[in-house]
Amino acid sequence: GENVEQHPSTLSVQEGDSAVIKCTYSDSASNYFPWYKQELGKRPQLIIDIRSNVGEKKDQRIAVTLNKTAKHFSLHITETQPEDSAVYFCAADYSSASKIIFGSGTRLSIRP
Amino acid sequence: DTAVSQTPKYLVTQMGNDKSIKCEQNLGHDTMYWYKQDSKKFLKIMFSYNNKELIINETVPNRFSPKSPDKAHLNLHINSLELGDSAVYFCASSQEGPSYNEQFFGPGTRLTVL
Repeated sequence: GENVEQHPSTLSVQEGDSAVIKCTYSDSASNYFPWYKQELGKRPQLIIDIRSNVGEKKDQRIAVTLNKTAKHFSLHITETQPEDSAVYFCAADYSSASKIIFGSGTRLSIRP
Repeated sequence: DTAVSQTPKYLVTQMGNDKSIKCEQNLGHDTMYWYKQDSKKFLKIMFSYNNKELIINETVPNRFSPKSPDKAHLNLHINSLELGDSAVYFCASSQEGPSYNEQFFGPGTRLTVL
């Protein structure tokens, strides 16, 4: 069925430390895995995405890894800063249904 | 310039009323969506339109009726509002469907049903 599981639901890290959020998906045909950041009271915005033809992608302090065999993908944020505090959503496409399914979100808090 | 806009931003209404939310995108995208985000922050797709044609209709009560007068607009009309309809509704758009393409979200409409 269509399912994207995301863990943890909440995460608190010390400023400067790293944060990791993990997701699993159920459709082996999924090929596109975006990550969205939603600040309090704001809209979700894409921060990084990865396609199935690569295993890792990096953009400054954020990186995503993908393990298609295990159907896992993860978001890594290094050197966390206060402005990283937000809810992060992973997602996976279900091409047969022309939609993406979102994970349940991770509320990330950065402690000063 | 706002890429995806929604009106109104806030909507407070009584149970049983009918209300509409409007959405417009100026990105030239072919596909538009409506999502519902509940109090627990779950983002769930409701509808998707491609070039004014309905392509996704999740298990949404038929009190919800989307209307796409042209590919730049996707409005959401809700009849007989219920308490459980209270949520933030996001419109979004993307080029050629969601796979392999970023979805751009509107600012959201916070609907409160009393």
